[in-house]
Amino acid sequence: GAVVSQHPSRVICKSGTSVKIECRSLDFQATTMFWYRQFPKQSLMLMATSNEGSKATYEQGVEKDKFLINHASLTLSTLTVTSAHPEDSSFYICSASGISSYNEQFFGPGTRLTVL
Amino acid sequence: GQQLNQSPQSMFIQEGEDVSMNCTSSSIFNTWLWYKQDPGEGPVLLIALYKAGELTSNGRLTAQFGITRKDSFLNISASIPSDVGIYFCAGRGSQGNLIFGKGTKLSVKP
Repeated sequence: GAVVSQHPSRVICKSGTSVKIECRSLDFQATTMFWYRQFPKQSLMLMATSNEGSKATYEQGVEKDKFLINHASLTLSTLTVTSAHPEDSSFYICSASGISSYNEQFFGPGTRLTVL
Repeated sequence: GQQLNQSPQSMFIQEGEDVSMNCTSSSIFNTWLWYKQDPGEGPVLLIALYKAGELTSNGRLTAQFGITRKDSFLNISASIPSDVGIYFCAGRGSQGNLIFGKGTKLSVKP
């Protein structure tokens, strides 16, 4: 149990385009989903937290108009990187919680974004 | 804000050796979690600790929640090549969010 998937696993796009990343909880209902960004050889940096049906809460320094998050159902959240630039290239990882009363986070496999 | 200090930053050990890594903080945490991340993958939860003093095992892994609630350690016994990866500690702070350590990169020589 507690499987989280992400799609796509890697994406290459041109500067100025938008990219959508999907995060799905496959075998449980995720009341909360989290989006992280990870730079090479660094730890995970929380970008935003989203609860199903509510607007996402963004961490300080994360542009909400740049990184659009939608959590329309209990099993799906999407992150859209709008007008992508090379500096947006990174490893984006989602996690989901809601399977237990302890609200542990289970992570997806990540999406490698490369912006040319 | 709350921060975690994870050490060591990296370890190079021989297969069969035991490994120990820890996380400390100046803040109190309500939950300690240990994750392992393989290259190009998301972190996988190894052990979750919910009470101060709690000692929990998962196969060859053992982790403890420090009595002061400001630290935790993870031990791996009889390491094997597939233990290679980056291990992250994470503490759940007062806001309910997870705060991650910087990771310990483990390399195992066969």
